[in-house]
Amino acid sequence: DTGVSQDPRHKITKRGQNVTFRCDPISEHNRLYWYRQTLGQGPEFLTYFQNEAQLEKSRLLSDRFSAERPKGSFSTLEIQRTEQGDSAMYLCASSRGQLNTGELFFGEGSRLTVL
Amino acid sequence: GIQVEQSPPDLILQEGANSTLRCNFSDSVNNLQWFHQNPWGQLINLFYIPSGTKQNGRLSATTVATERYSLLYISSSQTTDSGVYFCAATYGGATNKLIFGTGTLLAVQP
Repeated sequence: DTGVSQDPRHKITKRGQNVTFRCDPISEHNRLYWYRQTLGQGPEFLTYFQNEAQLEKSRLLSDRFSAERPKGSFSTLEIQRTEQGDSAMYLCASSRGQLNTGELFFGEGSRLTVL
Repeated sequence: GIQVEQSPPDLILQEGANSTLRCNFSDSVNNLQWFHQNPWGQLINLFYIPSGTKQNGRLSATTVATERYSLLYISSSQTTDSGVYFCAATYGGATNKLIFGTGTLLAVQP
């Protein structure tokens, strides 16, 4: 069990550029989640996949954000035309089953700074 | 939606002291988890505890679901316990969305 891994760990970009983050979940976990965390706040849910299907998206996920999990394994989160308000830690997590009966495991996060 | 509130918002301890962190939730929850976020930002599971009491070394947690709160006890604190502690819950039919509390920032001084 190698844990949830995320790449890159840090990204600095200029406003208007596109960025993409990658997440590799724990291998036997079929559920994958993206959260966003801003300074001084708890993580906020963005979206969730069961296998390759994106089953829920938060209203926080504007049309500049897109997430995919093409083969039900790794996932990518792309932000187009970044804005300074997008600066945050983007956290990926995975679980074996539903969260009402099981645990959620987080990666180390990808910190985005938009200048 | 459900509100998850934590207290105290921050806490400073001397090494070796004990502490209790509290999590209150506004509605019945299906699941409750406690996490520790280390200074590098990673969230580490401490407990999955929808009800009852669990212990893991110097840490223990109790959830009283009928009274809508959970407690995290840290005994004989160490500097490595520093960081932010979050509780998070699922509720109702939203079985795949953890709602996080506001966090407690703990600083353990040597």
